[in-house]
Amino acid sequence: GESVGLHLPTLSVQEGDNSIINCAYSNSASDYFIWYKQESGKGPQFIIDIRSNMDKRQGQRVTVLLNKTVKHLSLQIAATQPGDSAVYFCALNPGNTGFQKLVFGTGTRLLVSP
Amino acid sequence: DSGVTQTPKHLITATGQRVTLRCSPRSGDLSVYWYQQSLDQGLQFLIQYYNGEERAKGNILERFSAQQFPDLHSELNLSSLELGDSALYFCAWDGSYEQYFGPGTRLTVT
Repeated sequence: GESVGLHLPTLSVQEGDNSIINCAYSNSASDYFIWYKQESGKGPQFIIDIRSNMDKRQGQRVTVLLNKTVKHLSLQIAATQPGDSAVYFCALNPGNTGFQKLVFGTGTRLLVSP
Repeated sequence: DSGVTQTPKHLITATGQRVTLRCSPRSGDLSVYWYQQSLDQGLQFLIQYYNGEERAKGNILERFSAQQFPDLHSELNLSSLELGDSALYFCAWDGSYEQYFGPGTRLTVT
């Protein structure tokens, strides 16, 4: 199964820099991956998703990269802004369930300084 | 705004007590999921209901139960509360492929 994680790594960047947040998974049957952003006191907010038949997908200022060979997922945020400060979670559908159960990875706290 | 409401926003109660958390989804949302987010366990799936019926169970304790009513709102019941039950509780519903989360209820057990 997937690990949830017991600690919260932190990434500190300067405003305007590009940020890269990484996520590793273990279940090769996973077929769908999502990145969520969670601001303090709020629920997770959908950012971008990618299916296992793709290796890259771009949104507005965000890009998700999927490397199935090494079971690695990354979220790239271009020109990071103070409003991007939040905890970012990767989530996946394990692919071996008959319903849309999501398994969340360890969050990463992104701190953006002006 | 997700269009989903969760009440109460904050709840403080004592060990051994019972509480009910409520989630009112957007109109037409048949599926509802409950998640628990604690500091030491992260976000964990608890249970799913679909159109009033239990669809799947995750890491939900026997002291916890849920219901989905005909108007599709859902309640999560937590009983014999322990300190370790202090957490954020979210309901979520299905988008095209992803899930959208409500604003959450912060439960503090003292």
